[in-house]
Amino acid sequence: SYELTQPPSVSVSPGQTATITCSGDKLGDKYVCWYQQKPGQSPVLVIYQDDKRPSGIPERFSGSNSGNTATLTISGTQVMDEADYYCQAWDSSVVFGGGTKLTVL
Amino acid sequence: HVQLVQSGAEVKKPGASVKLSCEASGYTFTTYPTHWVRQAPGQRLEWMGWINAGNANTEYSENFQGRVTITRDTSASTAYMELSSLTFEDTAVYYCASGEQQLVFDYWGQGTLVTVSS
Repeated sequence: SYELTQPPSVSVSPGQTATITCSGDKLGDKYVCWYQQKPGQSPVLVIYQDDKRPSGIPERFSGSNSGNTATLTISGTQVMDEADYYCQAWDSSVVFGGGTKLTVL
Repeated sequence: HVQLVQSGAEVKKPGASVKLSCEASGYTFTTYPTHWVRQAPGQRLEWMGWINAGNANTEYSENFQGRVTITRDTSASTAYMELSSLTFEDTAVYYCASGEQQLVFDYWGQGTLVTVSS
């Protein structure tokens, strides 16, 4: 079955750029979504179709996808961005990555 | 605005079944698909399946084939997910999710905690 691999954790200082990767075989041939999940809350869509931002999502969130790696970039990271982030793609069924805990300190 | 409101927490014994509901509002229920996703404590999100609310066609993850059934009641704008033969490993928060585009989950329910305990 298809697998998406994310780093378990990423740390960044406030105001800096956070980069979260998601790897999978020929992932660049698929559309990728990214979700933000804070403790005790439901996930929130922050990027869809690789690089599109839903209404209401700050411009500091951006995405890209090429080759075997999709990337979520948060520019000027804020303390409120501290959360778990999951990538998601489709390969005969919906697949989620293992999640990355973003720490902002 | 779009809302997905799920039923309340459940406690079940091993071997039992559980049926959860997800009531949609703020859009025409039959327009968007409804997916079910679960998350065990400290674990990743796991997709279970989806239903085309318009024609009731369903598709299930191989991981749950034979154990999960997703249905809908268009008159109530509600989708249901039934999971049978529960084991301790089915303890999780179960979410319904939907969106304007297939496989993009713009909207999520608040989640339902299912605890399997003897």
